[in-house]
Amino acid sequence: GAVVSQHPSRVICKSGTSVKIECRSLDFQATTMFWYRQFPKQSLMLMATSNEGSKATYEQGVEKDKFLINHASLTLSTLTVTSAHPEDSSFYICSASRQGNTEAFFGQGTRLTVV
Amino acid sequence: GESVGLHLPTLSVQEGDNSIINCAYSNSASDYFIWYKQESGKGPQFIIDIRSNMDKRQGQRVTVLLNKTVKHLSLQIAATQPGDSAVYFCAENLGGADGLTFGKGTHLIIQP
Repeated sequence: GAVVSQHPSRVICKSGTSVKIECRSLDFQATTMFWYRQFPKQSLMLMATSNEGSKATYEQGVEKDKFLINHASLTLSTLTVTSAHPEDSSFYICSASRQGNTEAFFGQGTRLTVV
Repeated sequence: GESVGLHLPTLSVQEGDNSIINCAYSNSASDYFIWYKQESGKGPQFIIDIRSNMDKRQGQRVTVLLNKTVKHLSLQIAATQPGDSAVYFCAENLGGADGLTFGKGTHLIIQP
């Protein structure tokens, strides 16, 4: 299967600071990547669709100015949580699909803790 | 909006027994369904998928059944092993390049 890598796996930051999370497709090109958020003991919720070379598409209720997404290449999408607050603490997970293929490959997730 | 749901939050089975995890979906337009396994602190791991033009698909020790009439999806795991302990999610989308809608998850516990 294809490999999707996220970095960092864990991050702790202070309130008010920004944190960048990277999602890389290691052995395939991904024109589309997806960002999910998962609170403890809950399911994954789609936050946004990251499109290479264009603006991301955000789900209803997700603030695009707070969760900045950049998909500058076919193998890298970044999610920046700006002015983080404790309620942003969560498990952030990305996924990517090969072009023309619906199977999604997930990264290992990033545990964000805002103190 | 429409979403995929699950019947039971926790399922406990004896090691070696078969387990069945259920999922109800509400979007009749969904075309593609997937089961994922998630271990603590990790991302979802693909188990098996099925398209709406099928009603059954088998993998290694796993079978997915799709009943479009009642919008029901199930995952059967044969001869469960300790390593099967995890949270299992069903997910669905419209079959295109869309994000997935996940169900609530079932925590499968394997008892020795």
